[in-house]
Amino acid sequence: AQSVTQLDSHVSVSEGTPVLLRCNYSSSYSPSLFWYVQHPNKGLQLLLKYTSAATLVKGINGFEAEFKKSETSFHLTKPSAHMSDAAEYFCVVSVDSGNTPLVFGKGTRLSVIA
Amino acid sequence: DTGVSQNPRHKITKRGQNVTFRCDPISEHNRLYWYRQTLGQGPEFLTYFQNEAQLEKSRLLSDRFSAERPKGSFSTLEIQRTEQGDSAMYLCALDLDFLDNEQFFGPGTRLTVL
Repeated sequence: AQSVTQLDSHVSVSEGTPVLLRCNYSSSYSPSLFWYVQHPNKGLQLLLKYTSAATLVKGINGFEAEFKKSETSFHLTKPSAHMSDAAEYFCVVSVDSGNTPLVFGKGTRLSVIA
Repeated sequence: DTGVSQNPRHKITKRGQNVTFRCDPISEHNRLYWYRQTLGQGPEFLTYFQNEAQLEKSRLLSDRFSAERPKGSFSTLEIQRTEQGDSAMYLCALDLDFLDNEQFFGPGTRLTVL
């Protein structure tokens, strides 16, 4: 069965410094992996997705993630944090066949300090 | 364009009452998913439809829960005899890309059971 572990429940960074949100996955199949963001009182928004093409995936708002099969990781990074990045981030896994639900991690809350 | 509305956006009810939520996609989508998100957790899968057929139900979906998608467009989720543990955000999602299971999420209905 697929599962996702987000290694940090809360990450705090200063504005302008790099962001690293860590995610490890477990899947019996070649997975599709996603990062979704949820701002307070807003809906879930897709940041980026990995679907067995390039291992380095670029998303919206300057975020990117690297798929590392040997480490079963899919960490999310951004070179320079902005105040507007403060939100809850979810790492998500899906079996590649496209006919199963998404499995979400518990989320990482990102705080950005001015 | 992809879009989905969920109504009501907020619902407060007393324990033991029945509630019904509705999810309305603005365009045709084969697959429609329901998830539940409790405070501090990631969304968890409840059930999904392909057109009007309900194909999978989670163990989370007790016999007090029922979902329908009668014409393969909008969907309803009913909870009978609500309990305080049902308090959560109920999210509807649509398939955007069948091959990699990318999903678009609605704004959700927040249920509070007193």
